[in-house]
Amino acid sequence: GAVVSQHPSRVICKSGTSVKIECRSLDFQATTMFWYRQFPKQSLMLMATSNEGSKATYEQGVEKDKFLINHASLTLSTLTVTSAHPEDSSFYICSAPWGGMNTEAFFGQGTRLTVV
Amino acid sequence: AQTVTQSQPEMSVQEAETVTLSCTYDTSENNYYLFWYKQPPSRQMILVIRQEAYKQQNATENRFSVNFQKAAKSFSLKISDSQLGDTAMYFCAFMKLGPGNQFYFGTGTSLTVIP
Repeated sequence: GAVVSQHPSRVICKSGTSVKIECRSLDFQATTMFWYRQFPKQSLMLMATSNEGSKATYEQGVEKDKFLINHASLTLSTLTVTSAHPEDSSFYICSAPWGGMNTEAFFGQGTRLTVV
Repeated sequence: AQTVTQSQPEMSVQEAETVTLSCTYDTSENNYYLFWYKQPPSRQMILVIRQEAYKQQNATENRFSVNFQKAAKSFSLKISDSQLGDTAMYFCAFMKLGPGNQFYFGTGTSLTVIP
């Protein structure tokens, strides 16, 4: 079946630095990918929709300049957390729609970001 | 806007018993899909079962089945013969057909299977 690979699975960074998270569709093309943030014991909150070859669509309340999204190819979307602060520490998950009419979604393994 | 509600934050069930997780949703859409996803401690989201709104027949997948009541906007998940590996967070999700096919997730139910 379709696989979405997310890297890294864990990252620790210092405050003020930037961190890039990659999301790859390994055996299918994804013109759209989704980025979620998940706080402990809470649901997935959609942050933005990544669109290949065009600008990402951000959900209300998500800072575009802090969470930079690039979808440069049909198999890769990246999320860069810029000038990270401890409150950005969270679990980030990407997903890509798949199947006829894109009615399924495959999720990456997630990235646990800790900002110290 | 679409909303998905899971009213049971935590549930437990004895191994080999049956448990039902509740989910309701609100939408004005007519064409949509509903899902149950499982998130074990590894945090990997795993698809459990999917239901197309236009199908009246309830979806089943081995020990997992749903009770889809479209008029009531209810979509419950029944797990039969519960196994220890079923211990996880379970998220109900709604997807409307359209640009991007965006998912909307419920708040989750933490299920513990007791040996």
